[in-house]
Amino acid sequence: GAGVSQSPRYKVAKRGQDVALRCDPISGHVSLFWYQQALGQGPEFLTYFQNEAQLDKSGLPSDRFFAERPEGSVSTLKIQRTQQEDSAVYLCASSLATVQGADTQYFGPGTRLTVL
Amino acid sequence: AQSVSQHNHHVILSEAASLELGCNYSYGGTVNLFWYVQYPGQHLQLLLKYFSGDPLVKGIKGFEAEFIKSKFSFNLRKPSVQWSDTAEYFCAVNHPGNQFYFGTGTSLTVIP
Repeated sequence: GAGVSQSPRYKVAKRGQDVALRCDPISGHVSLFWYQQALGQGPEFLTYFQNEAQLDKSGLPSDRFFAERPEGSVSTLKIQRTQQEDSAVYLCASSLATVQGADTQYFGPGTRLTVL
Repeated sequence: AQSVSQHNHHVILSEAASLELGCNYSYGGTVNLFWYVQYPGQHLQLLLKYFSGDPLVKGIKGFEAEFIKSKFSFNLRKPSVQWSDTAEYFCAVNHPGNQFYFGTGTSLTVIP
């Protein structure tokens, strides 16, 4: 079946622009996660949804970052007034489990964001 | 907060050599442990996971990992690597119900 998909795969933004990154999880997966992966680093947790509820947003680095999953399926990560330090790969993952870590997370290909 | 250390940043091996990649985490208690792999041009995918029970876990493609609670470690092993094992390997830890913490990754290059 189809895996997790993300769009766009690459995004170049000028500093100060707003961007929106989309994630389509595996159908039926309850949990959805966003991660930020800087060059040479491992993924860092940003936020977690269970269906449409955002249960953990402790990893969002600033109030410029906002995520939503209004119908409990597709999710969008929005970054306002992008800064150069926002340049990274943004990964989305989904899982069947209703508890974080209780089941395998399936990752998408990521969106590589470059802020000039 | 939890932290995960992967001591080997870059590993180069010849085919048929044995592999061991280190992973240590900082906080104890009940943990779930994972190894993920990212082959060139592909997504992160799960190699193996430990939730409870036998501390020696077997995963796909001949990989295994051993959870040693007293050492806060979950090292990944493979007795004989192949060229196709060339990839980036990430260790991850979470306390049940809480966020994942990933290590910085180990880049493995296997020379034919």
